[in-house]
Amino acid sequence: DAGVIQSPRHEVTEMGQEVTLRCKPISGHNSLFWYRQTMMRGLELLIYFNNNVPIDDSGMPEDRFSAKMPNASFSTLKIQPSEPRDSAVYFCASSLMGPANEQYFGPGTRLTVT
Amino acid sequence: GENVEQHPSTLSVQEGDSAVIKCTYSDSASNYFPWYKQELGKGPQLIIDIRSNVGEKKDQRIAVTLNKTAKHFSLHITETQPEDSAVYFCLSGGYQKVTFGTGTKLQVIP
Repeated sequence: DAGVIQSPRHEVTEMGQEVTLRCKPISGHNSLFWYRQTMMRGLELLIYFNNNVPIDDSGMPEDRFSAKMPNASFSTLKIQPSEPRDSAVYFCASSLMGPANEQYFGPGTRLTVT
Repeated sequence: GENVEQHPSTLSVQEGDSAVIKCTYSDSASNYFPWYKQELGKGPQLIIDIRSNVGEKKDQRIAVTLNKTAKHFSLHITETQPEDSAVYFCLSGGYQKVTFGTGTKLQVIP
């Protein structure tokens, strides 16, 4: 298996632009997680899905952030409009079933908003 | 939300020495306690995990101990090697929730 796939690996955009991050989980995994990592705040859970349904989105910073999982093999995290403080590495992870099992992380997307 | 404290934030050891990292959690409902290793430019990767019905688990040079009464668990690495240098994260997990610790940067000096 190719593991969790994220795209793009790097994204540089200007403040105010829309940004869409993409994730393909490992086939057969029922849970998908989006994280944000910064030096100041560490690794933060933004949202997680179970069987394509959002279970916990309490970590989503504000209305500018939205996440979807239209099917078991694809998820997006969208930021509209983007701001410089959104600059971070965004990770997607998947697990067989829920947070109480091993999570497999993708390589991350490094987002820079200027 | 849950509070997970991880100490120390940085740790330097000589090659061959042991390293210990500790996490304290607050949610008594948590029942899953893994440790992840993150190398530069990569996503975190699971190295060992323990569930609440077990007190200790060992895998070669790595061990995790859990004290559920005190709500803390620790990562022990023996005979450290330069390739152990990385950032280590603990996690407190349970039904429909997960919280990572703040991370420990481990440096193993050859």
